[in-house]
Amino acid sequence: GENVEQHPSTLSVQEGDSAVIKCTYSDSASNYFPWYKQELGKRPQLIIDIRSNVGEKKDQRIAVTLNKTAKHFSLHITETQPEDSAVYFCAAGKGNTPLVFGKGTRLSVIA
Amino acid sequence: NAGVMQNPRHLVRRRGQEARLRCSPMKGHSHVYWYRQLPEEGLKFMVYLQKENIIDESGMPKERFSAEFPKEGPSILRIQQVVRGDSAAYFCASGPMNTEAFFGQGTRLTVV
Repeated sequence: GENVEQHPSTLSVQEGDSAVIKCTYSDSASNYFPWYKQELGKRPQLIIDIRSNVGEKKDQRIAVTLNKTAKHFSLHITETQPEDSAVYFCAAGKGNTPLVFGKGTRLSVIA
Repeated sequence: NAGVMQNPRHLVRRRGQEARLRCSPMKGHSHVYWYRQLPEEGLKFMVYLQKENIIDESGMPKERFSAEFPKEGPSILRIQQVVRGDSAAYFCASGPMNTEAFFGQGTRLTVV
């Protein structure tokens, strides 16, 4: 089955700097890669996703890149703000099968 | 559209009791997924159900845990004879999963 590895597990950045979180997956048939943000005590919420027919997608300060050959994808947050502090999860999926999540990255943005 | 509704939000059970967690998917969604999140950890898949069918229960412990999604009413995750290690947040999501999967607010189970 699918296995998703996520790094780093914790990340601290200065406000205004960029943050990068990386994930690898094992199942070459996976074709959907969402990123979720989870604030303390709250539900995971989708922030951006990418499909395997696209190499990069951007939404304001957030971008995701996908390298199908290497089976890895990354989340990039630019000009970080304190409200970006949260736990971020990557996931991989295909069809209607359950998403497989990485273990999460705790991002702290220091003002 | 009320979104994915889970109840209760918080549940306290003594060791050996039963816990029942409920999930109503978003209107129009017939797929429900249950995930468990231990403190400081990620989301672990437990079970995937459609109405009256268990599609994939590969992530669910073989003993004490069961799930159903009846024709009428919410999906129920049942944990019998709870132990301290069952303390976690249990999230339900409704799909389809290859678009935005919507998560409920979760049920935080504490076993004392």
